[in-house]
Amino acid sequence: DAGITQSPRHKVTETGTPVTLRCHQTENHRYMYWYRQDPGHGLRLIHYSYGVKDTDKGEVSDGYSVSRSKTEDFLLTLESATSSQTSVYFCAINYGGLEGYTFGSGTRLTVV
Amino acid sequence: DQQVKQNSPSLSVQEGRISILNCDYTNSMFDYFLWYKKYPAEGPTFLISISSIKDKNEDGRFTVFLNKSAKHLSLHIVPSQPGDSAVYFCAAFLGNTPLVFGKGTRLSVIA
Repeated sequence: DAGITQSPRHKVTETGTPVTLRCHQTENHRYMYWYRQDPGHGLRLIHYSYGVKDTDKGEVSDGYSVSRSKTEDFLLTLESATSSQTSVYFCAINYGGLEGYTFGSGTRLTVV
Repeated sequence: DQQVKQNSPSLSVQEGRISILNCDYTNSMFDYFLWYKKYPAEGPTFLISISSIKDKNEDGRFTVFLNKSAKHLSLHIVPSQPGDSAVYFCAAFLGNTPLVFGKGTRLSVIA
């Protein structure tokens, strides 16, 4: 399968604490993405990256920041977690064209 | 405003019959349209796609139809199997912009 892994797979955190989710790829793809999945909302783009240190905001970027200091790692940080950020987070890499994206297995984050 | 819409949250179909999942879009500039399938506790997986210059693409039991004038696409699964039970997402993109997804349709195939 595609070399994309997310960590952790599950996390419970308290409101107001910082949280960082990691996405790691082994295939040297330029484009990487963070989406969140919520019931009734489908998959919504948080941030994406088109190269090292090159990132841009998505539809639901408020409360999130990202960093990409090397090609293989794309980090998503919740600076101060809120209950509205309880969700399943998916990272994806882009193969281009009609092959679409390959997604990681997701991180289930619960903010209590 | 949603650029990609899946207006049916769920669909139930008997095993062996045809499943038809629908998707509408608002941006006539989209280049490609894709369908993803998602099982619980897994990431979405690519299923089938179609370029905006085509009106049909077939891959085994899965066929995607594109009607550009109506800004509508559909995914046909024939015959439906219990293993097809999953959430299906329609998605689209333009150039290098990120994929935009619909809200998904949960398909249940009943044996």
